[in-house]
Amino acid sequence: KAGVTQTPRYLIKTRGQQVTLSCSPISGHRSVSWYQQTPGQGLQFLFEYFSETQRNKGNFPGRFSGRQFSNSRSEMNVSTLELGDSALYLCASRGTSGSYEQYFGPGTRLTVT
Amino acid sequence: AQKVTQAQTEISVVEKEDVTLDCVYETRDTTYYLFWYKQPPSGELVFLIRRNSFDEQNEISGRYSWNFQKSTSSFNFTITASQVVDSAVYFCALTDDNAGNMLTFGGGTRLMVKP
Repeated sequence: KAGVTQTPRYLIKTRGQQVTLSCSPISGHRSVSWYQQTPGQGLQFLFEYFSETQRNKGNFPGRFSGRQFSNSRSEMNVSTLELGDSALYLCASRGTSGSYEQYFGPGTRLTVT
Repeated sequence: AQKVTQAQTEISVVEKEDVTLDCVYETRDTTYYLFWYKQPPSGELVFLIRRNSFDEQNEISGRYSWNFQKSTSSFNFTITASQVVDSAVYFCALTDDNAGNMLTFGGGTRLMVKP
């Protein structure tokens, strides 16, 4: 099975712009979670989608949003980018219920200048 | 609230040494799940192991072993005969049935194995 894929891998944006990141989960996985990793805050949960519905949300401002499509692919969007949004954004997919393992993609490294 | 503490921010060893990475967790739930992930320089988090709260059996996988002790709320990870390829950042994480898929991560331990 192919792993979790994320596009793009690297992105440079300017303050005030918006950005959309994409994640394709492992085939058959319906749950997709997003995490932000920064040197200062570590790994923090952003949100989780399951069957096109947001099931859980972390403590992030409304500028961070996401969605999931019927094929389980997910996108996250960050509007009005701030310098502090520079981070590695990781997507994880999870399989059937009872299996708690989350498998992560390679991440998208976002730099805001 | 859940919390995971990895007190060792950085460890440096020489190849073939054994090394133990510590993980202490806090949760109010009686059913929870603990994980270890490895993050090499490429950035991807690689799943290593999951342990359920109701299964305190320790596990060994090749050079890797995990010691789960509920009495001390610890889930430590030992690498035997370390190799340069083990150099990475290792994260301990926790979730429970109420948190769903939300993993709470520790701060990570950077392991450097020198030849």
